Amino acid sequence: KAGVTQTPRYLIKTRGQQVTLSCSPISGHRSVSWYQQTPGQGLQFLFEYFSETQRNKGNFPGRFSGRQFSNSRSEMNVSTLELGDSALYLCASSLAPTGQNEKLFFGSGTQLSVL
Amino acid sequence: GENVEQHPSTLSVQEGDSAVIKCTYSDSASNYFPWYKQELGKRPQLIIDIRSNVGEKKDQRIAVTLNKTAKHFSLHITETQPEDSAVYFCAAKGTGAGNMLTFGGGTRLMVKP
Repeated sequence: KAGVTQTPRYLIKTRGQQVTLSCSPISGHRSVSWYQQTPGQGLQFLFEYFSETQRNKGNFPGRFSGRQFSNSRSEMNVSTLELGDSALYLCASSLAPTGQNEKLFFGSGTQLSVL
Repeated sequence: GENVEQHPSTLSVQEGDSAVIKCTYSDSASNYFPWYKQELGKRPQLIIDIRSNVGEKKDQRIAVTLNKTAKHFSLHITETQPEDSAVYFCAAKGTGAGNMLTFGGGTRLMVKP
């Protein structure tokens, strides 16, 4: 099986622009979560989708949004970029968000740099 | 919401020694506690997890212990090897919809040969 695929791998944007990141989960996985990783801040939870519905949202401003499609692929959008949004954005998929199928499989991430 | 604290933030050990990383959590309803390992430049990968109905779980050189009363859990790595060098993240999650996986801040483990 192919792993979790995130595109693009790298992005360079300027302040005020918007960006869309894509995540294709492992085939059969219906749950997708997004995390922001910055040095010293660990993995900060952004949101989680299951069957096209947002189950949870982390403590991030409304500039961060996401969605999930019927094929379980997910996109994350950040509008009005700020310098502090520079980070590695990781997507993770799982069979289901609860129970015995909670193991997360991470993608390689999208490294976003805001200049 | 859940808060997970992880200590230490960095840990340096000699090859062959043991390493212990500790995490505390705030939500007594949390019942799932995974540990992820992230090698330099790579994606995090699950190495072991434990549920609240057991107190300890082992997998070869790694083990995790859980103390529900004190709300803390620990990762133990014995006979450390250079390839154990990585950042380790603990996490905690409660039951049911609306409960998300909350990660600790990470521990950078360095195993010196």
